[in-house]
Amino acid sequence: DVKVTQSSRYLVKRTGEKVFLECVQDMDHENMFWYRQDPGLGLRLIYFSYDVKMKEKGDIPEGYSVSREKKERFSLILESASTNQTSMYLCASNLGQYTEAFFGQGTRLTVV
Amino acid sequence: EDQVTQSPEALRLQEGESSSLNCSYTVSGLRGLFWYRQDPGKGPEFLFTLYSAGEEKEKERLKATLTKKESFLHITAPKPEDSATYLCAVRRYGGATNKLIFGTGTLLAVQP
Repeated sequence: DVKVTQSSRYLVKRTGEKVFLECVQDMDHENMFWYRQDPGLGLRLIYFSYDVKMKEKGDIPEGYSVSREKKERFSLILESASTNQTSMYLCASNLGQYTEAFFGQGTRLTVV
Repeated sequence: EDQVTQSPEALRLQEGESSSLNCSYTVSGLRGLFWYRQDPGKGPEFLFTLYSAGEEKEKERLKATLTKKESFLHITAPKPEDSATYLCAVRRYGGATNKLIFGTGTLLAVQP
């Protein structure tokens, strides 16, 4: 079974802090993604990566950056956390361009 | 503009009462329609991929079908454990080819 593991289930951070969300997948998938999920807005793509050190912006990249130094690990960075970044963050991966994506369990981030 | 609309937003069924969830989409060059199940506070769990009109997939009490403009998720004789939010997503050809566009989901509650 594909396993996508996010480092934290719940996080509480203060406004202005730099926040790191980590994601690891164990199936040698080429592609990895970060989404955020908010009530009424659904899942929105923040960034995705199709190879080590390669990344592309999604629909809502402002205020975020990413890092992919190893194939299995994809990190989302909030440079200076703000209250409007309070959300559920979901990491996903897939093998090929048109195959299904598998999700991690999610990180509920609260910025106070 | 690519769009995915799910209906109804919420559905309450009695145990054993069969029904269908709808996912309508407008996308140029469909390259996959995906159904996911999401339990509260967790990441989406992959259910089905459909690639072409007329295709059908089944798993236990769930059956997904696809036409040129919409997909249905049929739930036969549901049980309380089928209660969850069901998400639909599409991937299109071209552009950011690995981008999934999600609907906002249907919240299903099955009462015993």
